[in-house]
Amino acid sequence: GAGVSQSPRYKVAKRGQDVALRCDPISGHVSLFWYQQALGQGPEFLTYFQNEAQLDKSGLPSDRFFAERPEGSVSTLKIQRTQQEDSAVYLCASSLAPQPQHFGDGTRLSIL
Amino acid sequence: TQLLEQSPQFLSIQEGENLTVYCNSSSVFSSLQWYRQEPGEGPVLLVTVVTGGEVKKLKRLTFQFGDARKDSSLHITAAQPGDTGLYLCAGEGQAGTALIFGKGTTLSVSS
Repeated sequence: GAGVSQSPRYKVAKRGQDVALRCDPISGHVSLFWYQQALGQGPEFLTYFQNEAQLDKSGLPSDRFFAERPEGSVSTLKIQRTQQEDSAVYLCASSLAPQPQHFGDGTRLSIL
Repeated sequence: TQLLEQSPQFLSIQEGENLTVYCNSSSVFSSLQWYRQEPGEGPVLLVTVVTGGEVKKLKRLTFQFGDARKDSSLHITAAQPGDTGLYLCAGEGQAGTALIFGKGTTLSVSS
């Protein structure tokens, strides 16, 4: 498809487990962003890549969160030792320049 | 820290009514964007405003950027049930990369 693709769409994990969320950006898009969206709230910035370089990770809430984009296209957001407060929708966005950003439909993560 | 305050948080109206959603900040933004998000989907860009005082129209939606580029409004004329959704304003951060989002306005239009 032509849009940003995220997988899985839904992920249920037990507290303490590690999870990996995948983002396939629009082909050719240099910039890639991860956001976290709590229920009924606006998205909050997590991290930003330009090609394979992670230029800003100031929004990552703890060292349990790790993101990579090794070849400058697909990106993975990994959360280690998940906790209940990690439950949220994780959105990925890509763009040619920083703006405008095109969003995927997100991964809804539930930690039991 | 740059923050965007949106109001109202919830709005429930009848079809045909007009409404305005506000997005305010104490910070200056180089641009401001409005998104609409439906349940289970990602935000979809409606408009970007860049110049202070700018007004943009998208069918029944009118967007305005404040003269000082600190605030914006979205006005919907004759709302329809299809307008139902979460409306988000977002400003470019100081680094000009990540978006800073407001908490959103949940709009429900009933027929």
